[in-house]
Amino acid sequence: SQQGEEDPQALSIQEGENATMNCSYKTSINNLQWYRQNSGRGLVHLILIRSNEREKHSGRLRVTLDTSKKSSSLLITASRAADTASYFCATDAVGGNNRKLIWGLGTSLAVNP
Amino acid sequence: DGGITQSPKYLFRKEGQNVTLSCEQNLNHDAMYWYRQDPGQGLRLIYYSQIVNDFQKGDIAEGYSVSREKKESFPLTVTSAQKNPTAFYLCASRIGPNTEAFFGQGTRLTVV
Repeated sequence: SQQGEEDPQALSIQEGENATMNCSYKTSINNLQWYRQNSGRGLVHLILIRSNEREKHSGRLRVTLDTSKKSSSLLITASRAADTASYFCATDAVGGNNRKLIWGLGTSLAVNP
Repeated sequence: DGGITQSPKYLFRKEGQNVTLSCEQNLNHDAMYWYRQDPGQGLRLIYYSQIVNDFQKGDIAEGYSVSREKKESFPLTVTSAQKNPTAFYLCASRIGPNTEAFFGQGTRLTVV
C-alpha cells in the first residue's frame, strides 16, 4: 500500500537553484529513506534517516524528519542538470509488518541548464 | 562487483503467454522484492520474500507468481491471468528490515 505522499508532484528549477521536496506518511516509522530514479532505470538509495534523528546530510543533500508532523523533506543544494530524476521516499513502519518498505508516489525534478 | 541483476531488459509477450523475469543478487541479502511501475507512477509491491522457500503476496499479486528456491534468485512469472501486464518491473533486495534496498535496472514488459 502507498502511504507516503510527496509534494510537489513535479518541480522545475534552474541549474544552481536549490530544490526542496516533501514527503508525508501516516504511521509510526523506524526510518525514512529517499531514493532517486533516472528515467527508465532502477532506483538508487540516497539517504536513510532514523526516527530518532532530525537531520542528516550527504554531500549536497540535506534530509530533515519531523515525526510529530509525520513528514520529511529532501533539499538538494546547488542543483545540476544531472540531478534531473524522480525522487521517492519510503518508510519502514514500526511493528506489524515492517518487512516491506512503504513507498510514496514520487516527485519529478527537472533541472534546466 | 556485488549487485542485483535483472534480465532481460526488454521483453515482449503475446496474449495468453506466460513469461518469466529473472532477478539475481550476489549481495547475500535475505529479503527480495518485486515491484511494478506504470508510467509516471510510484512502485507497487507484487511479491516479497524474507527467506529462502518463503514468500508473501504484496498489494497486486493477482496474475503473478514467484519462487525462492535459492537465496540469490527470485524469478517472477507474469501469467496469462494478468490482464494488463505492460509495465516496468523492478526487483530489489536488502539485508532485512530497516536497511537500504538495492535495485536492479528493471525489465520493461510489453504485450504485443
